[in-house]
Amino acid sequence: KQEVTQIPAALSVPEGENLVLNCSFTDSAIYNLQWFRQDPGKGLTSLLLIQSSQREQTSGRLNASLDKSSGRSTLYIAASQPGDSATYLCAASNAGNNRKLIWGLGTSLAVNP
Amino acid sequence: NAGVTQTPKFQVLKTGQSMTLQCAQDMNHEYMSWYRQDPGMGLRLIHYSVGAGITDQGEVPNGYNVSRSTTEDFPLRLLSAAPSQTSVYFCASSYDRYQPQHFGDGTRLSIL
Repeated sequence: KQEVTQIPAALSVPEGENLVLNCSFTDSAIYNLQWFRQDPGKGLTSLLLIQSSQREQTSGRLNASLDKSSGRSTLYIAASQPGDSATYLCAASNAGNNRKLIWGLGTSLAVNP
Repeated sequence: NAGVTQTPKFQVLKTGQSMTLQCAQDMNHEYMSWYRQDPGMGLRLIHYSVGAGITDQGEVPNGYNVSRSTTEDFPLRLLSAAPSQTSVYFCASSYDRYQPQHFGDGTRLSIL
């Protein structure tokens, strides 16, 4: 059974710092892995999607990597800004017929000015 | 372009009442889904639909019904509300189930 874990649960950093958020999954037979951002009282916004055949995806200051063999994905945020403060969730889509998303609990990020 | 619109944003119900959470999208997406988000539990899939007239159960379907009569709308019905259904409910849509999903802002539901 696929399980997705995100550590740490909360992170506080000063503005300008480069940071890494971690996502671990137990079953390497994934179809893809996605990173989302959730602002307080809001829905989720898709940030990056990495297919199982890819090693990384980049969008602006964000870079997500995928290592299926170790069951890990990381989200790298360069030059963090206060506007990056949010909860970041990862979700793994299994490789079976239903391709169901299995969600982590998220990392709550605070970037302090 | 409104994206995914959920109504109402907040609702308080008494145990045993029924209600419908509305979800509409204007992106002509085939795939739509309903999740609930609870502290310490993460997002859990309630029901999903791969197109008009087609629905299927997710992880936690008990106590909920859905229908998909049009591509745009995917309402979620609580048949007889229970305190365990107190949660934040999110509707999401995507071109197909393999593409990134677009989420609504959620409905915060309290059952007393």
